[in-house]
Amino acid sequence: RKEVEQDPGPFNVPEGATVAFNCTYSNSASQSFFWYRQDCRKEPKLLMSVYSSGNEDGRFTAQLNRASQYISLLIRDSKLSDSATYLCVVPPQGNTGFQKLVFGTGTRLLVSP
Amino acid sequence: DADVTQTPRNRITKTGKRIMLECSQTKGHDRMYWYRQDPGLGLRLIYYSFDVKDINKGEISDGYSVSRQAQAKFSLSLESAIPNQTALYFCATRGRLGTDTQYFGPGTRLTVL
Repeated sequence: RKEVEQDPGPFNVPEGATVAFNCTYSNSASQSFFWYRQDCRKEPKLLMSVYSSGNEDGRFTAQLNRASQYISLLIRDSKLSDSATYLCVVPPQGNTGFQKLVFGTGTRLLVSP
Repeated sequence: DADVTQTPRNRITKTGKRIMLECSQTKGHDRMYWYRQDPGLGLRLIYYSFDVKDINKGEISDGYSVSRQAQAKFSLSLESAIPNQTALYFCATRGRLGTDTQYFGPGTRLTVL
C-alpha cells in the first residue's frame, strides 16, 4: 500500500456544489495531517491542518478517520476559484517533528459556471 | 517579502551544463527541502537538510547535489544536466514540531534541451 493515495480526478462540479475528496494513508501512527492547495504551476500552499478528529474553516471541512486510515476534505458551495489540485500530506512515521512529509499526487478539482 | 525565495524562477539550459538553483528563507527554520514535480508524479523529494551539518538523500537524489551554506540557504546543483531533469523544482522549509507545516518557495521551472 502506498504511504499516501489520492484519486487524481479530475472532479468536475458546477458552482455551488458540494464536493469531497478522500486520501488514504498507510502509517497508522501518523497523528497530524495536512491538506495543501496547488494552483497550476504555482507552489503548494497550506489549506488546512488536521490533528484530531477534524477541522473546519468556512466552506472547508477536513475529517480524519483513524480506524479506516483516511482523511477527507469537504468543500461546500464551490466557487470557480476553488479550481485547483488538492494535495494530501502525511508524516511517514508519527509525530516526531524530525520526519519529512509525504505528499500525495493530488486530486484535481474543476469548478464550472 | 516572501518567506522562501528561489532563484532563478525560470531557466533553459543545454545537456551537460552545470546548473545551480538557489533557495533562501527568512522563517528561521532548520529544516529545508528540495523537491521536483513532474505531471502525474506529484512532488518527489531530492534532498533534505535538518541543519547546516546534516544533509540527507531523498528518493531521487541521483544526478543532484546540494549545499547548505547557512541556516537560511540551501542550493541544489545539477552537475551535468540531462533532458529528463526538466521539471518544476521547489524548495521548502519546515519547523521542528510534528505539527509544523511546510512552506514552499515559488518554484524554478527548469528546461534541459
